[in-house]
Amino acid sequence: EAQVTQNPRYLITVTGKKLTVTCSQNMNHEYMSWYRQDPGLGLRQIYYSMNVEVTDKGDVPEGYKVSRKEKRNFPLILESPSPNQTSLYFCASSPASSYNEQFFGPGTRLTVL
Amino acid sequence: GQQLNQSPQSMFIQEGEDVSMNCTSSSIFNTWLWYKQDPGEGPVLLIALYKAGELTSNGRLTAQFGITRKDSFLNISASIPSDVGIYFCAGQMAGANSKLTFGKGITLSVRP
Repeated sequence: EAQVTQNPRYLITVTGKKLTVTCSQNMNHEYMSWYRQDPGLGLRQIYYSMNVEVTDKGDVPEGYKVSRKEKRNFPLILESPSPNQTSLYFCASSPASSYNEQFFGPGTRLTVL
Repeated sequence: GQQLNQSPQSMFIQEGEDVSMNCTSSSIFNTWLWYKQDPGEGPVLLIALYKAGELTSNGRLTAQFGITRKDSFLNISASIPSDVGIYFCAGQMAGANSKLTFGKGITLSVRP
């Protein structure tokens, strides 16, 4: 089944404790992206990647890092999480031929205390 | 970043009714998309529009790419309870590395 998977789905952590949210897709898509969803603010892009070893900042990249060492994986790293990073996070992927038609993962709900 | 405006934030309709929602911007977009997010899940693409004036249907859903390229609308006919969710418009400006910009979404509730 074609899908985007994220792990973990739920995470409660404390300020300053480094964490990684993994994202993997099995559709051989070139384009991958991370979004955060907050009430009243909709979906905002954090980082995106056009292909392996190619990443770029989205609209709200501060406090986040990403890497794209393999085509299928695009982990989101929070080196020192803060409470304002409490949010619902989505990973998405799409083929280069139509990179705006994105397939979203199920989401990761992160709470930073 | 570019702003896409969706309003109102919430809509309440009766089952069987039609509903229209639109998305506007002060900027020109080359692509308009509509996504739906069911409760507890990630957004799913409903319709993609690539040409000004284009009218595309997907079952009971119809979407149009505005002639000015600054707006798009989505119509849902004969609503059913499973239409409940958040509807996002998204747009993409010209450019090889252009990002997808999302509106804030409209939460649709359908009363049985």
